[in-house]
Amino acid sequence: QKEVEQNSGPLSVPEGAIASLNCTYSDRGSQSFFWYRQYSGKSPELIMFIYSNGDKEDGRFTAQLNKASQYVSLLIRDSQPSDSATYLCAVTSFMDSNYQLIWGAGTKLIIKP
Amino acid sequence: IAGITQAPTSQILAAGRRMTLRCTQDMRHNAMYWYRQDLGLGLRLIHYSNTAGTTGKGEVPDGYSVSRANTDDFPLTLASAVPSQTSVYFCASRAGPNTEAFFGQGTRLTVV
Repeated sequence: QKEVEQNSGPLSVPEGAIASLNCTYSDRGSQSFFWYRQYSGKSPELIMFIYSNGDKEDGRFTAQLNKASQYVSLLIRDSQPSDSATYLCAVTSFMDSNYQLIWGAGTKLIIKP
Repeated sequence: IAGITQAPTSQILAAGRRMTLRCTQDMRHNAMYWYRQDLGLGLRLIHYSNTAGTTGKGEVPDGYSVSRANTDDFPLTLASAVPSQTSVYFCASRAGPNTEAFFGQGTRLTVV
């Protein structure tokens, strides 16, 4: 069974600080990694994707991938109250003869003003 | 239509009734998915389709069926609803095996 694991939280971070969200995965063959944000009562929306080891930056968001250690993280700089949401990690794995997205259960992030 | 659309947005359904949740996308994506999301359990895959004419079972397929007659539409049917099928249902699509998934707005289903 291929798995993606996240700390469920809640993770509480002061406004303006850096929020660090982590995700580990079991399939060493995974090639693509995604971070989604989900506000309460809404559908998940893509924040970032990363395919290669290292860092990828987009505005206040940085995704970090370490395939050797099988983890991917998301850093949010200058956290804002509007960043309060559940963050879902998703990893593509090859299973049952096709590529499937395997989802973590999500980390609830709370930004305190 | 822009992106992926689900209908209805919410529904209260009597146990034992049949119900079809609709999902339509206009992005010409090959792959489509149905998930259910319950508090604390994250997204669980019900059924998927990698291309028109093919479907597959996900993690929690029992009590659900799907069809994929064309690229755009991927309806999910509950043949005889039970209270444990109370959940939020999301339809999603993606273009290829390593691309991101796009989600519909979700259907909140309550079976009483």
